[in-house]
Amino acid sequence: EVQLLESGGGLVQPGGSLRLSCAASGFSFSSFGMSWVRQAPGKGLEWVSAISGDSGYTYYADSVKGRFTVSRVNSRNTLYLQLSSVRVDDTALYYCTKARTDHSSREGFDYWGQGALVIVSS
Amino acid sequence: DIQMTQYPSSVSASVGDRVTITCRASQGISSWLAWYQQKPGKAPKLLIYAASSLQSGVPSRFSGTGSGTDFSLTISSLQPEDFATYYCQQANSFPRTFGQGTKVEIK
Repeated sequence: EVQLLESGGGLVQPGGSLRLSCAASGFSFSSFGMSWVRQAPGKGLEWVSAISGDSGYTYYADSVKGRFTVSRVNSRNTLYLQLSSVRVDDTALYYCTKARTDHSSREGFDYWGQGALVIVSS
Repeated sequence: DIQMTQYPSSVSASVGDRVTITCRASQGISSWLAWYQQKPGKAPKLLIYAASSLQSGVPSRFSGTGSGTDFSLTISSLQPEDFATYYCQQANSFPRTFGQGTKVEIK
């Protein structure tokens, strides 16, 4: 059974940093691209970042480029998102997601974690 | 970046109704479009990928059509468990982008 378990969320002051983790199990982690998607309270979904299975490619939304860093450690089956210089509008539930197929991230995200809540406030 | 526009933003319908949600991309995305269902307090669930392929385990009353810039999700006979918010997402290029969502409410 595929499981994605996020951790590391919490309250952080504007300008601060936080690292989210996503522990994956139930599939060949290194074979699949992974993404982070966030959802501000009461709002829609916003794609944040993606990383290929071998970490060779990373992508970011314009809203987080230069402030967030996605990474993964395949030997630990873990995905990370380092949040830096956070802003109030980064407040959201951050979901870890798995690409549906191992050869393309063009078929959507078939598994989602339960989310990690990040609150940016002074 | 590719902008995704969904409409309507909300729809009121009754059990058994046929419901269609539309999604338009600001530029052509071939068939690289996914649809998700999200219920309150839950993570989104993949319904349709590649515009018209039904994800495993999803009831056949859900269907997707379209290519290029215009897409639609149809629920052929609305069931009580289908009341939720639906999102489209383009997967043609980065950054991936979602539509703003369509809330399907009970009439």
